[in-house]
Amino acid sequence: QVQLQESGPGLVKPSQTLSLTCTVSGASFSSDTYYWSWIRQPAGKRLEWIGRVYASGSTKYNPSLKSRVTISVDTSKSQFSLKLTSVTAADTAVYYCVRGFIVGGFDNWFDPWGQGTLVTVSS
Amino acid sequence: DIVMTQSPESLAVSLGERVTINCKSSQSVLYSSDNRNYLAWYQQKPGQPPKLLIYWASTRESGVPDRFSGSGSGTDFTLTISSLKAEDVAVYYCHQYYSTPQTFGQGTKVEIK
Repeated sequence: QVQLQESGPGLVKPSQTLSLTCTVSGASFSSDTYYWSWIRQPAGKRLEWIGRVYASGSTKYNPSLKSRVTISVDTSKSQFSLKLTSVTAADTAVYYCVRGFIVGGFDNWFDPWGQGTLVTVSS
Repeated sequence: DIVMTQSPESLAVSLGERVTINCKSSQSVLYSSDNRNYLAWYQQKPGQPPKLLIYWASTRESGVPDRFSGSGSGTDFTLTISSLKAEDVAVYYCHQYYSTPQTFGQGTKVEIK
């Protein structure tokens, strides 16, 4: 059974960098059938896709966050990571790591999702 | 960005009754090359992450009860629960993966009347 687990600080100061890691178990992390994404959900707001990475290291980001986001992958550890720089209170959210399916060369639906981790931006 | 708009935002339905949730995209998510709608539905129960129910607008994920069904094409989609059970209380989201950035609806909260 595939499991994804987020880890990282739950509290980040304004203007600093948010860093999270997702550890994947039970799946072929390097398969070209999957991609790996970060999604966040501010309290009371809709889900927001942050970006994705393939096992090859190829990335794609949400243009609204692109200037501040880096997603990287470590296939030897079956992990992928998120870095979000210059955070503000608006970045306070539950952050999910998720597996996506690649079909026909396109990024498709998400399954499963990690449990999510709340990151609060506050001094 | 493709804007996904769900309706209603919340509804209360009696056990055993039918639930219909609508999702409208600001542009078509039907890919002409494969004639598939790049739309998924998720269920999020309190304190849990979203769970995949439906992909390609109408394909039920393995293990999802058959009371859940998806329909629609182009810009208008529907998630139907044929007979509401207590365990179906949740927030339901639609998601388009037709174009970057992938986007989600605002969610529809389903409660028991």
